Amino acid sequence: GENVEQHPSTLSVQEGDSAVIKCTYSDSASNYFPWYKQELGKRPQLIIDIRSNVGEKKDQRIAVTLNKTAKHFSLHITETQPEDSAVYFCAATGNQFYFGTGTSLTVIP
Amino acid sequence: DAGVIQSPRHEVTEMGQEVTLRCKPISGHNSLFWYRQTMMRGLELLIYFNNNVPIDDSGMPEDRFSAKMPNASFSTLKIQPSEPRDSAVYFCASSLGGLIMNEQFFGPGTRLTVL
Repeated sequence: GENVEQHPSTLSVQEGDSAVIKCTYSDSASNYFPWYKQELGKRPQLIIDIRSNVGEKKDQRIAVTLNKTAKHFSLHITETQPEDSAVYFCAATGNQFYFGTGTSLTVIP
Repeated sequence: DAGVIQSPRHEVTEMGQEVTLRCKPISGHNSLFWYRQTMMRGLELLIYFNNNVPIDDSGMPEDRFSAKMPNASFSTLKIQPSEPRDSAVYFCASSLGGLIMNEQFFGPGTRLTVL
């Protein structure tokens, strides 16, 4: 089955700096890679996703890159703001759906 | 649309009791997912349905857990008998499309405490 590893588990950055979260997957059949943000006490919400026919996707301060050969994908947040503080989950989907273990991001004002 | 609706929002019960969690997916969505979230194990997919049919229940922890989807607008997750280690937040999510390759919309969750 799929195995999604996510690093780091915690991340602290100064406001305005960039944050990068990385995930690796094992199932070469995976072809959809969403990222979810979960604020404290709230539900997970999709912030960006990428499909296997695309190498990079950007939405304002958020970008995701995918390297299918190496089986890894990354979330990049630029110009971080305190409201970016949350837990971020990556996921890989092929025949099944698996979440990564989450990264707790803290943006220090 | 009100989004995914879950009830109850909070449930406190005693060990050995039966617990039933309920979910109403977004109208028109044909895939439904049940998740469990704990600090120790993170977000775990328990089971998902497509067009009311269970597709993958490999995440269901044991026979004490069961899930049903009698129609397109309602699903239940039942734990019988409940145990303290079942304490967690249970999320229901729904998505549009026959594959699990579309955005999932999560409900607010049910916080279950088993004493």
